[in-house]
Amino acid sequence: EDQVTQSPEALRLQEGESSSLNCSYTVSGLRGLFWYRQDPGKGPEFLFTLYSAGEEKEKERLKATLTKKESFLHITAPKPEDSATYLCAVGISSGSARQLTFGSGTQLTVLP
Amino acid sequence: DAGVIQSPRHEVTEMGQEVTLRCKPISGHDYLFWYRQTMMRGLELLIYFNNNVPIDDSGMPEDRFSAKMPNASFSTLKIQPSEPRDSAVYFCASDISTSGKYNEQFFGPGTRLTVL
Repeated sequence: EDQVTQSPEALRLQEGESSSLNCSYTVSGLRGLFWYRQDPGKGPEFLFTLYSAGEEKEKERLKATLTKKESFLHITAPKPEDSATYLCAVGISSGSARQLTFGSGTQLTVLP
Repeated sequence: DAGVIQSPRHEVTEMGQEVTLRCKPISGHDYLFWYRQTMMRGLELLIYFNNNVPIDDSGMPEDRFSAKMPNASFSTLKIQPSEPRDSAVYFCASDISTSGKYNEQFFGPGTRLTVL
């Protein structure tokens, strides 16, 4: 069965304190790994897509990396406005399937 | 573009009543997805459409749930009769197909449903 596990469930950082969020997956045929940010009361907002092991994407203070078993979202010198829940999702190779399987998320709090 | 539009944003109803949630996808997108988010189960796919045709409804919890997409710019998710355990945030998302490639889905703001 396809599984996506995110860790930690919650993370509190001081402003400027860099860290990483983990997304490990067990799927049969990865067709893409997606990172989303979700603020309270809002829908998930797309951040990155990674398609193959070794791929990296960057956006401001965020950098996403991918291996054959997991993905990391690195946050460098975070600011309070980076506080949100970060979700990862995988798309699998299964016929014409388009569904994404989401992890349970990491709730990040950045303290000033 | 205005993004994915959902209505209503909040819905409070009593058990047994019919509830209809509405979604307008991003213009030009040919895939539409309905998700449900709860604290216990996270974000779950209920059903998705391609070119207005339902492709996979295996995530629909039971026959009380139904979804339609009469045209490329409108979809509904109906719950009849509603039950307290249906209380959740329901999201609609859309994306555009690219041959052999998964693209990012764009989510709407969600409808928070409370069934009393």
